Amino acid sequence: DAKTTQPNSMESNEEEPVHLPCNHSTISGTDYIHWYRQLPSQGPEYVIHGLTSNVNNRMASLAIAEDRKSSTLILHRATLRDAAVYYCILPGDDKIIFGKGTRLHILP
Amino acid sequence: EADIYQTPRYLVIGTGKKITLECSQTMGHDKMYWYQQDPGMELHLIHYSYGVNSTEKGDLSSESTVSRIRTEHFPLTLESARPSHTSQYLCASSETGPTNEKLFFGSGTQLSVL
Repeated sequence: DAKTTQPNSMESNEEEPVHLPCNHSTISGTDYIHWYRQLPSQGPEYVIHGLTSNVNNRMASLAIAEDRKSSTLILHRATLRDAAVYYCILPGDDKIIFGKGTRLHILP
Repeated sequence: EADIYQTPRYLVIGTGKKITLECSQTMGHDKMYWYQQDPGMELHLIHYSYGVNSTEKGDLSSESTVSRIRTEHFPLTLESARPSHTSQYLCASSETGPTNEKLFFGSGTQLSVL
């Protein structure tokens, strides 16, 4: 079973920020939180990852709760190209399980 | 940039044929994975490997087999293809390290068994 819980789908307007939540209440102290996204007809691609502190890169920001039981992927200004399925995973040292992810719809 | 390649990109084959899906990576990654994904559905882990001569079954039972004779190569074989095997197969690799390394995915093989 996936170790994370995400909403099935979300909608956002183009050029507005998007906050994608993820719950991981059973996270261990050494688990990193990774986010991937899968565009239509493609394999997943890495977006961002973090351990405790908030992280930023050119694609997105990752906000991690103080107790680490949840995190939020932030797309600062959504475009139509950001329409995809977003996965939050905890790779750990073993097999890497993807849940169903959140299907993000961007409205023009 | 990721250097992980899957061939063929598309494969249409008749029932009963033996097929091998190829996956190669040039990044020297120890860990490799095979996922199966139906349209609009989640990815299911079917096989993974920690390194040469290591293969493990994933969460989804699969009739396919894998081998890992070389670090860079992780082929998946179906001895006798059936229509129920029709799906997309995605290969991935990652480093082994303390920061829980990121995954790199290939473009996938879309398999159709008639």
